[in-house]
Order: sequence, then C-alpha cells, then structure tokens
Amino acid sequence: AQSVTQPDIHITVSEGASLELRCNYSYGATPYLFWYVQSPGQGLQLLLKYFSGDTLVQGIKGFEAEFKRSQSSFNLRKPSVHWSDAAEYFCAVGDNDYKLSFGAGTTVTVRA
Amino acid sequence: DTAVSQTPKYLVTQMGNDKSIKCEQNLGHDTMYWYKQDSKKFLKIMFSYNNKELIINETVPNRFSPKSPDKAHLNLHINSLELGDSAVYFCASSQGETDTQYFGPGTRLTVL
Repeated sequence: AQSVTQPDIHITVSEGASLELRCNYSYGATPYLFWYVQSPGQGLQLLLKYFSGDTLVQGIKGFEAEFKRSQSSFNLRKPSVHWSDAAEYFCAVGDNDYKLSFGAGTTVTVRA
Repeated sequence: DTAVSQTPKYLVTQMGNDKSIKCEQNLGHDTMYWYKQDSKKFLKIMFSYNNKELIINETVPNRFSPKSPDKAHLNLHINSLELGDSAVYFCASSQGETDTQYFGPGTRLTVL
C-alpha cells in the first residue's frame, strides 16, 4: 500500500522569502503524485500533479515541484511567498486503483 | 459554476441522530469519493463509487452508508451519530482511476 510522509508539520516563512515543502512517498510502481492546498475553512485545491514525463512540474500560483525517483520525493517550492499562501499543504500519492493517500499536511504561516 | 458541491456546509447535531450529507458534481466524472478529515487535518478515504458501483469501501463503521443515485450524485448517510464522527467530510470526483480528484468545499459535522 502506498503512503506519504510530510516531515514538516509547521513552517513559518517571511513574505517574499522562498518556500520548500518536503514530501516523501512509498509506492512500488510509478507513482501519481499531487500537491493540494487547503485555505482555512475551504476545500482542497489542486496545485500541481505528476503523472510521467518531465520531473519538474509547474503548477498554479507560482508553485513547482520536482519528482526525484531515487529519493522517493516530490518536494514543493515557491520562489517568493505571498501572505495569501498561508494555508495547509497536502502531498498525495495515487495508485492505479482510484485510491489517493494523503500526507499529514504542512501548515504554512507567512509573517510580514 | 461550482464543480463539486456539498450540502450542508455545517451540520450540528446530537449524538444518536441520523443525518445525511449530499454531494453533486457537474464535471461529467464517473467516479466520486467521500473522505473524512479529522481534527488533526488527516484525510482518509472512506468510499468511492464508479458509475454508481461501490469500488472502495475502507474500514468504516457500517453506520456510514453511501448512496449513489446517479453518476453525478453521491450521498453519505450516517446512523446513530457518535462524538467521534465529528469531522470535516469531503466529497471528490475524478474521471478514471488515476485522474486528478476534484474536491468539494467540505461539510463540517459536529456531534454534541
């Protein structure tokens, strides 16, 4: 069964600084990887996804993620965060059978 | 147009009651899901329906019963509500087993 680990429970970053959120997955085959963002009181919005091909994936809101098979990682990055990026971020891995397994999430706080 | 909608957004009820949450998607997807997000924000899949057929049924108490009247709707009925059922319940939909899952805004259930 697949699983996801997000090692950082909470990250605080200054507005304008760069952000990197870590994600490690466990899955026997080629994974389908996703990053979702959840703003307070809201549903989950897809930021980006990796299915195959180019290992550097561009998403919405200026986010990107890099798939590294050798490290079983799919880290999310943003060069310059905005106050509106304060939210909960979830990494997820999907299998070939509809199941999506989520990490525990990373809370991002942005300070002025 | 809301892609995946849920009603109600908030639900406060007493222990022992029976309640339902409704979900509708207008994306034309053939697969719908229910997830539970607990107080620590951990997301776990509960059920999935593909073309009205149950395909995922995780370890969930049988007090929870999903019903899919058609491809665009997936309802969740909960009998004899318990304190531990308090959570945010998310509906999602996708086209195919590896496609992106699109989430609704969530229903916050509080059992008193």
